[in-house]
Amino acid sequence: DAEITQSPRHKITETGRQVTLACHQTWNHNNMFWYRQDLGHGLRLIHYSYGVHDTNKGEVSDGYSVSRSNTEDLPLTLESAASSQTSVYFCASSREQTGELFFGEGSRLTVL
Amino acid sequence: QQQVKQSPQSLIVQKGGISIINCAYENTAFDYFPWYQQFPGKGPALLIAIRPDVSEKKEGRFTISFNKSAKQFSLHIMDSQPGDSATYFCAASTNGGATNKLIFGTGTLLAVQP
Repeated sequence: DAEITQSPRHKITETGRQVTLACHQTWNHNNMFWYRQDLGHGLRLIHYSYGVHDTNKGEVSDGYSVSRSNTEDLPLTLESAASSQTSVYFCASSREQTGELFFGEGSRLTVL
Repeated sequence: QQQVKQSPQSLIVQKGGISIINCAYENTAFDYFPWYQQFPGKGPALLIAIRPDVSEKKEGRFTISFNKSAKQFSLHIMDSQPGDSATYFCAASTNGGATNKLIFGTGTLLAVQP
């Protein structure tokens, strides 16, 4: 079955370190998204991509970057992790026709 | 700036009761309004969605009511069951959802007591 997977599922890092969260989908969806989930804020869009080599900033993009070198993967990089980036991160992909987002199971990141 | 405002933040309902979650928006360009359901440790999953050409959409025990003039929409869960206990997010987007760039509400934690 097609799916979307995130790794690692849990990570603890230190302030200032670079961290990369992986996202891989096998649906061949063009659209991919990264959200962060925080209590009281819901899900906020970090970055998104509508296809290979396309990337766009969301509402909370500062401190994050993405790259899209193929259809299946959209890794999220924190260049210099900050405590404010402690959160649960969700990757999603979608079919353009239906508008439905398919989410991964999340990556819980703790920055100490 | 919260473009989609959701309430209540948490909700406790007895088994068999009706759960109601409300959302309001400001951007009149929004034309696609889905609700997502999230269980602990899982990613959100689409529950039901509505477009503004209808005022209500029903799927089983779940109903979306949409009031375009008031810029509000709500989720009603009839005959609520313990298995419905989850976090619910409303969302909105433009272009009929084709861009899939969803703006989410802050979420409602629903607990259905047996």
